[in-house]
Parts: sequence; structure tokens; C-alpha cells
Amino acid sequence: QKEVEQDPGPLSVPEGAIVSLNCTYSNSAFQYFMWYRQYSRKGPELLMYTYSSGNKEDGRFTAQVDKSSKYISLFIRDSQPSDSATYLCAGTGANNLFFGTGTRLTVIP
Amino acid sequence: ETGVTQTPRHLVMGMTNKKSLKCEQHLGHNAMYWYKQSAKKPLELMFVYSLEERVENNSVPSRFSPECPNSSHLFLHLHTLQPEDSALYLCASTPRNWDDEQYFGPGTRLTVT
Repeated sequence: QKEVEQDPGPLSVPEGAIVSLNCTYSNSAFQYFMWYRQYSRKGPELLMYTYSSGNKEDGRFTAQVDKSSKYISLFIRDSQPSDSATYLCAGTGANNLFFGTGTRLTVIP
Repeated sequence: ETGVTQTPRHLVMGMTNKKSLKCEQHLGHNAMYWYKQSAKKPLELMFVYSLEERVENNSVPSRFSPECPNSSHLFLHLHTLQPEDSALYLCASTPRNWDDEQYFGPGTRLTVT
């Protein structure tokens, strides 16, 4: 079983749609959770960084962590073509850090 | 220069060559990392240098050899690589340790022929 499971997609949505990206993880020691966005031919850039369970909102982006079900989500409201990228989730804790495979998202104008 | 920089951006090497990848961070961070990114696979953490202490993923072959002369510079020395080592190699840094948010460089696209 992978430490972090993520549906690779691809996922295509029309502009303006709400996007839901999800990951599950298996390591109960994970305390910190991150979402990264990676454009083609670029390194990943941090979108959201959360600690333990709960929600965190930043502009059009909302990250959710449910530690009881080991489920993490990223919601993108009013999606834009510029949101087209690969989204990576990650969990860390107890000197372990694992990433999902990434979900490729395309927002169609 | 700002953030995390990596050179070269692209590298093609034969299986008998020796080459090195370079990473430099301008963020004042205390930990640096090497990752391998292959298609349809999770980012694989290869090496960690935290306050100049090295931590490595035991599954990384010895043909990859890291070097961290100071907290701002990180190298990955490559020798006798295999075609399956072709991938994007990413460097990252964090302020303190791997619970912190990672700041990535643009990566080196490596092709082994």
C-alpha cells in the first residue's frame, strides 16, 4: 500500500467549475499536509500547508484534512484556465515525507 | 537570484559518463533535499541534508552520491547511470526540517542514453 494515494486523472472541467481533488494516506503519524501545483516543465510550488484536521482557505483554494478517515482534499472555486496543472498532495510527520502521484487538471475555457 | 536554482536545466549523458547536478538556495534555509520525479510515480525523496546531517533513502542506488558543502549548496554526483535513471531531478529546501513547507527548484531533466 502506498503511503499516499492520489487519482492521477486526467481531470477536465469547464472554466468556472468547482474542482475537487482528493488523496488518502495510510500513515497515522502524519501531522502536516500540503498541496503543491506543478506546471509543465517547472518545479512544484506550494499552494496550501495545513496542520492536523480542519479547513484552511486561501482565495479560491480550500484545503480540508480529515485525520479520522485519513482523507485530504483541495477545492478550487471558479476554476480558471491558468489553474491547469498537476496537483500533488503530501503528508509528513515523524521524519517521514511522502507525496501522491499527482492529479493532472485541465480547465477548458 | 532568488528562491531555489538548479543547473543544468537539461542534461543528456551516456551510461559511462560522470556528471554533477547543482542546487543553490537563496532563502536562508537549513535543510535541502534531492527528489526524483518519474512519470506516473510519486515524488521519490532521495537525500536529505538537515543542518549538514545527511539522511538517505536506502533504496537509492550508490551511483547517486550527494554532497552538501554548506547550507546553501547541494550537489548530486552521477556516475555509471542506467536508462531507468532518466527523470526530472528536483532540489528543495525548507527552513528547518521536513515538516516545513518545501520550496522547490525548477528541476534538471536528465536523459541517460
